[in-house]
Amino acid sequence: KQEVTQIPAALSVPEGENLVLNCSFTDSAIYNLQWFRQDPGKGLTSLLLIQSSQREQTSGRLNASLDKSSGRSTLYIAASQPGDSATYLCAVSGDYKLSFGAGTTVTVRA
Amino acid sequence: KAGVTQTPRYLIKTRGQQVTLSCSPISGHRSVSWYQQTPGQGLQFLFEYFSETQRNKGNFPGRFSGRQFSNSRSEMNVSTLELGDSALYLCASRQGIDRDYGYTFGSGTRLTVV
Repeated sequence: KQEVTQIPAALSVPEGENLVLNCSFTDSAIYNLQWFRQDPGKGLTSLLLIQSSQREQTSGRLNASLDKSSGRSTLYIAASQPGDSATYLCAVSGDYKLSFGAGTTVTVRA
Repeated sequence: KAGVTQTPRYLIKTRGQQVTLSCSPISGHRSVSWYQQTPGQGLQFLFEYFSETQRNKGNFPGRFSGRQFSNSRSEMNVSTLELGDSALYLCASRQGIDRDYGYTFGSGTRLTVV
């Protein structure tokens, strides 16, 4: 059974600081890995999709890396802004389903 | 391009009743899956459908069921509601079931069982 862990559970940083969010998974036989953002009471917004054959993916201030063999992914958010405050979820895809971590709740202080 | 549409957005039901939630995927997306989100258990997989066939099912009791129609729209049904079924139910669609496809989620249906 795939287990996905996200560390830390919560993070508070001043505006402008870079964010580093970690995700680990137990079964390396994944199809791909997706990072999502969730605002309170809302649905999930996809941020980045990394295929299992890729090492990283970038979109604007966001960069995600994937090391499938060690079961790790890291999401970097550069120059954080108050609008980046949200819960960030890592999900690994396999066997017609996503397995989610519990998320990292980020607060960016103005 | 319209996103994944879930209806209704909010529901309040009484224990013992049943409920049906609806999901319309992004146009052209043929796969629909459902997830339950609670503060205690996080996001848990319910089921995924592709071409009207259930491809996978999570560890939920038989009270939870779903189906997909020929136009890819999907419904999930929960019978004999329990207080613990109170949750945010999220639907996601993707273009196909090949490993390259990522998921796009809807805004969810907030179900409260009283």
